[in-house]
Parts: sequence; C-alpha cells; structure tokens
Amino acid sequence: QVQVVQSGAEVKRPGASVKVSCEASGTTFNGFYMHWVRQAPGQGLEWMGWISPAGDDRNAAQKFQGRVTMTRDTSRNIVYMELSELRSDDTAVYYCARESIVAALDLWGQGTLVTVSS
Amino acid sequence: QSALTQPPSVSGSPGQSVTISCIGTSSDIGYYRRVSWYQQSPGTAPKVLIYEDTNRPSGIPDRFSGSKSGNTASLTISGLQPEDEAGYYCSSYTTAKTYVFGTGTEVTVL
Repeated sequence: QVQVVQSGAEVKRPGASVKVSCEASGTTFNGFYMHWVRQAPGQGLEWMGWISPAGDDRNAAQKFQGRVTMTRDTSRNIVYMELSELRSDDTAVYYCARESIVAALDLWGQGTLVTVSS
Repeated sequence: QSALTQPPSVSGSPGQSVTISCIGTSSDIGYYRRVSWYQQSPGTAPKVLIYEDTNRPSGIPDRFSGSKSGNTASLTISGLQPEDEAGYYCSSYTTAKTYVFGTGTEVTVL
C-alpha cells in the first residue's frame, strides 16, 4: 500500500523552530524532487520550496528564504522541512508532496498541523 | 511571486459545465507547459487532476479538461457531478525555478 506518512501535530512558541518529517511507505522518494506546501486555516495552498533528488539543490519561495531548511535522507526515504523564527501566521497544515516525471505533485502526505501560539 | 488569480467561487447544476480560469504572467503560465490543476476536499490533501496544461493522469474522469491561451489557463468540468464539489487550485512552474499556486476556487454543485 502506497503511503506518505508525515510526523504528528506540533505546538510551538513564537520564535521557535519546527521540523516536519515525511516518510515513504510502499513507494520511493528516491529520484524525485520533493516539495513542501502549506495551507493556513481556511486559506489556499502556498508553495514553500523543493529539494532535488540528491539533496544537493533546493529552492524556496522568496518569503521563506532564510527561514526554511529542506533536507532528505535517501537511505531511509525520508524528507524533512525545518521552519525557523516561527510567527503566529505560520500556523498551518504543512504538506510534503512528490513531483512526478511530468512535473505534477502526484503523491501527498496527510499533512502536519503546526500551531504557533504563545 | 504573486499567486495566480482564480475566481473565488463558481457554481452549476448537475450535468452542467463550469470553467475555472487561472491568470498568470509571461514568467509562469505563459512561459512553460507546466500548469497543473488540483482538487481538494475539506480535510484532505490535494489530488492532481491535470498536468502539463492539458493532460489527465490515469483514473481521472474525462469530464475534467485543461486548456491554456497565453498567460491564462482554464479547467473545465463537463457534466458536473455532486462529488465535484470541492476546492480547485491551479499551479505553474516559473522562470525563477519556483512554483506558484492559484488563489483557489470553490466549486458548488447546486
């Protein structure tokens, strides 16, 4: 059974960091670009960034540059996204997604709710 | 990079057709053949409906179709079904090697 399993919900204080993991089961992330997308409550999808198959290249939306770190462990089929200097408006569901060979996000995790609150 | 522009909502009766527009620029939609469309039901992850402007993945009903003209992409749902009630998002690759999503459209089946 193909699954993408993300880490559980987090509650963080403003100024803290959060690290979300995303693991493949019954499939592989190896050889694929991986993306992170977030969705604030009641809002639309927001693209955050991608990491290359080898983990040696990455790009992020301008608003996240300097605050987001994307990494991957190809031996374990896991990708990670760390967001620092959290603010209340970072409260959102964070999704990882695999980019298919036709440049569409074909496989998504279930989402991880990150709540930033003092 | 600003979000692509979509209408907030569209509606139609069962069996009718609805079209959702997605307006970008010559640096994203108009530059590459890399527009995708996603359907999202409440509380679930998005699902890809269309890739490379006009192509449907296997398993997606042919009542979903994509098109593009210049800097504007469109998704048409023909023969609207009750289960099509959901949020719809376009997405495009950009010349900055980033991606951008549309603002999202809620489809209501009357």
